[in-house]
Amino acid sequence: GENVEQHPSTLSVQEGDSAVIKCTYSDSASNYFPWYKQELGKGPQLIIDIRSNVGEKKDQRIAVTLNKTAKHFSLHITETQPEDSAVYFCAARRPTGGFKTIFGAGTRLFVKA
Amino acid sequence: EAGVAQSPRYKIIEKRQSVAFWCNPISGHATLYWYQQILGQGPKLLIQFQNNGVVDDSQLPKDRFSAERLKGVDSTLKIQPAKLEDSAVYLCASSHVGDPTNEKLFFGSGTQLSVL
Repeated sequence: GENVEQHPSTLSVQEGDSAVIKCTYSDSASNYFPWYKQELGKGPQLIIDIRSNVGEKKDQRIAVTLNKTAKHFSLHITETQPEDSAVYFCAARRPTGGFKTIFGAGTRLFVKA
Repeated sequence: EAGVAQSPRYKIIEKRQSVAFWCNPISGHATLYWYQQILGQGPKLLIQFQNNGVVDDSQLPKDRFSAERLKGVDSTLKIQPAKLEDSAVYLCASSHVGDPTNEKLFFGSGTQLSVL
């Protein structure tokens, strides 16, 4: 079955620096790769996504890149702010079998002021 | 637009007791999911409904977990009897399947279950 690995598990950056989180997936049939942000006591919230026919997508300070050949995708956050501190999950979804979304284990991001 | 509603927010029970969680998805969302999130891990799918039918329950421990979505709207997830390892946050999510290529998940805040 599909497996999504995420690194690092914890990331600490200084305010204003960039943060990069990397994920790999195993199922080459996966075609949709969302990123979710989870704050304490809340459910995950979608912040950006990318489809397999696109190599890069940007939304203000966040961007995602996808390398289909290597089955890698990454989240980039620039000019980090304290409110970016949260747990970030990558995920992969295959287009068959009920569109199951498989999540990575998460990265806890600390942004130090 | 109202989000996904879940209750209760917290539940503490002893092992071998039973517990039930409730979820009301976003209006119009045909697909409903229950995820289990153990501390320090990503959400793991337990069961997926399309309207009131089960699409995927391959990861649901059916000897103790059950779920239903009788009228294709609200859903309940039950655990009976609970084990210590069931301690986790139970997340409900919904999605709109109007466009199958645009299935974004909307999560509720979850129910945090502690089994003592």
